[in-house]
Amino acid sequence: NAGVMQNPRHLVRRRGQEARLRCSPMKGHSHVYWYRQLPEEGLKFMVYLQKENIIDESGMPKERFSAEFPKEGPSILRIQQVVRGDSAAYFCASSPFGQGRNRYEQYFGPGTRLTVT
Amino acid sequence: EDKVVQSPLSLVVHEGDTVTLNCSYEVTNFRSLLWYKQEKKAPTFLFMLTSSGIEKKSGRLSSILDKKELFSILNITATQTGDSAIYLCAVDLGGGADGLTFGKGTHLIIQP
Repeated sequence: NAGVMQNPRHLVRRRGQEARLRCSPMKGHSHVYWYRQLPEEGLKFMVYLQKENIIDESGMPKERFSAEFPKEGPSILRIQQVVRGDSAAYFCASSPFGQGRNRYEQYFGPGTRLTVT
Repeated sequence: EDKVVQSPLSLVVHEGDTVTLNCSYEVTNFRSLLWYKQEKKAPTFLFMLTSSGIEKKSGRLSSILDKKELFSILNITATQTGDSAIYLCAVDLGGGADGLTFGKGTHLIIQP
């Protein structure tokens, strides 16, 4: 059973370009979380999605960031017009559970390291 | 503002030592506290604690929560070099927030 897949593992973008980060959850998991880890900081929650629905995007910056989890295919975190401050590691986690105590048995992907030059 | 504070931020010990990692929190709502181990890649789940005073144990690792004093500790006995990692503490705020609030982590280095 393959784990959570993220690609690319490393992404370099110039200021003003768009970054697209992909996350394929584990088989059978329909809940996806995105986290951002900035240098010298802990992981910060960004968004929680189920298939075709954004459940909680309270951690997402209001502008330039968007996320989707279509019925088919991976979840996508999209950052438009990237700036240097967007440089970070972006982790995706998936869970087979939604509500309930077990939902934080989250399985993390290896992360995408975004560097904005 | 909800806060999760871990201490120490970094710790260097020798193989065989026992270490205690601390996590304190100040949050408006609390549902559970979780510990993760982060090595070179993504964090891996260690424990979830919801009740005070009940120790969770897995091999050489154990953890306990004190909801009155708002902290948790993670103990690792007979440390090995493979225990070297960043240990993350996170709080599930519940109340509709579906993410976790993380501390900055404790960077643990085990020297042979």
